Amino acid sequence: QKEVEQNSGPLSVPEGAIASLNCTYSDRGSQSFFWYRQYSGKSPELIMFIYSNGDKEDGRFTAQLNKASQYVSLLIRDSQPSDSATYLCAVPPWAGNTGKLIFGQGTTLQVKP
Amino acid sequence: GAVVSQHPSRVICKSGTSVKIECRSLDFQATTMFWYRQFPKKSLMLMATSNEGSKATYEQGVEKDKFLINHASLTLSTLTVTSAHPEDSSFYICSARVVVGQLNTEAFFGQGTRLTVV
Repeated sequence: QKEVEQNSGPLSVPEGAIASLNCTYSDRGSQSFFWYRQYSGKSPELIMFIYSNGDKEDGRFTAQLNKASQYVSLLIRDSQPSDSATYLCAVPPWAGNTGKLIFGQGTTLQVKP
Repeated sequence: GAVVSQHPSRVICKSGTSVKIECRSLDFQATTMFWYRQFPKKSLMLMATSNEGSKATYEQGVEKDKFLINHASLTLSTLTVTSAHPEDSSFYICSARVVVGQLNTEAFFGQGTRLTVV
């Protein structure tokens, strides 16, 4: 089993819809979870992070964490064509606070006008 | 947020030559930096952890003699791809760690370097 798993997609949604991106992780000790957006040919940029079970909202983005199920998701409301990118879930392994991040393979999102 | 600058953004080199990639933290001191490699349509693969003033820690399967890492100061880490071959062609990305809490850190990424070995 991969340490961090995502559906590679592509996930296609119409403009204005809600896009739901999912991620599962294997390390039960992981404490924090990050979502990055990566446009083609560019490096990742942080969207948001979540530490606690439940929901965390930031503008059109909502991260949801369920540690019991080892599941973290990202919802994008009112999706825009500019949201079309690859979304990477990243989890630091629980082996001390090393700053390492293990990335999932990423989900490609396509928002159609 | 913190700024990490990576240079060059693109490089084309001949097979057998060496290429150096620089990663600088511009507005903070980074005791730890990370080097990733990304193949087309694939995720980021951690290559090594660069620690200021000490040897880098390489991930399993990464050749340390092939990918030389130097972290001589708190603001600069370099990755040198030695005797590059076409299979080394990839997107290389560095990141620097910023502690945001007792248990958690945040990573800021450089712009990435597209290496093409011909």
